[in-house]
Amino acid sequence: GENVEQHPSTLSVQEGDSAVIKCTYSDSASNYFPWYKQELGKRPQLIIDIRSNVGEKKDQRIAVTLNKTAKHFSLHITETQPEDSAVYFCAAINDYKLSFGAGTTVTVRA
Amino acid sequence: NAGVMQNPRHLVRRRGQEARLRCSPMKGHSHVYWYRQLPEEGLKFMVYLQKENIIDESGMPKERFSAEFPKEGPSILRIQQVVRGDSAAYFCASSTGTGSQETQYFGPGTRLLVL
Repeated sequence: GENVEQHPSTLSVQEGDSAVIKCTYSDSASNYFPWYKQELGKRPQLIIDIRSNVGEKKDQRIAVTLNKTAKHFSLHITETQPEDSAVYFCAAINDYKLSFGAGTTVTVRA
Repeated sequence: NAGVMQNPRHLVRRRGQEARLRCSPMKGHSHVYWYRQLPEEGLKFMVYLQKENIIDESGMPKERFSAEFPKEGPSILRIQQVVRGDSAAYFCASSTGTGSQETQYFGPGTRLLVL
């Protein structure tokens, strides 16, 4: 099955700085890579996703890159704000089954 | 357009009791997935269902756990004879289809605490 690894497990950044989270996956058949943001006690919310035929996607302050050859993908958050503090999960989908990374706890310091 | 609904949001059970968790998918979605999240961990796939069919239950524990998605009504995740290790957040997600690039939208989760 698919194995997704996510780094770092915790990330503390100064407000206004950038945050980068990296994930690797094992199954070359995976072709859809969503990122979810989860605030304490709440549901995972999709913030951005990328499909295998695209190398990069951007939505305002959030961008995701995908390197299919190396089987890794990354989330970039620029100009971080306190409301960006949350746990972020990367995931890879093969067929219908989402495999999640272990999560990155992002803390934005004011 | 209501999102994925789950109830109850919190459920407390004593060891040996049964837990029933309900999930109503988004309007127009016919595919339901259940995931379990242990404290400070990622979500783990449990089961994938379509109306009246279990498509993949490879992530479900072999005993005490069952799931259904009847023709009418919500999907149900049932845990019999709960143990403390069952304490977790259980999320369901839904999608419109089964394509490998279908976005799954999550419900608010049910937080199960077994005393």
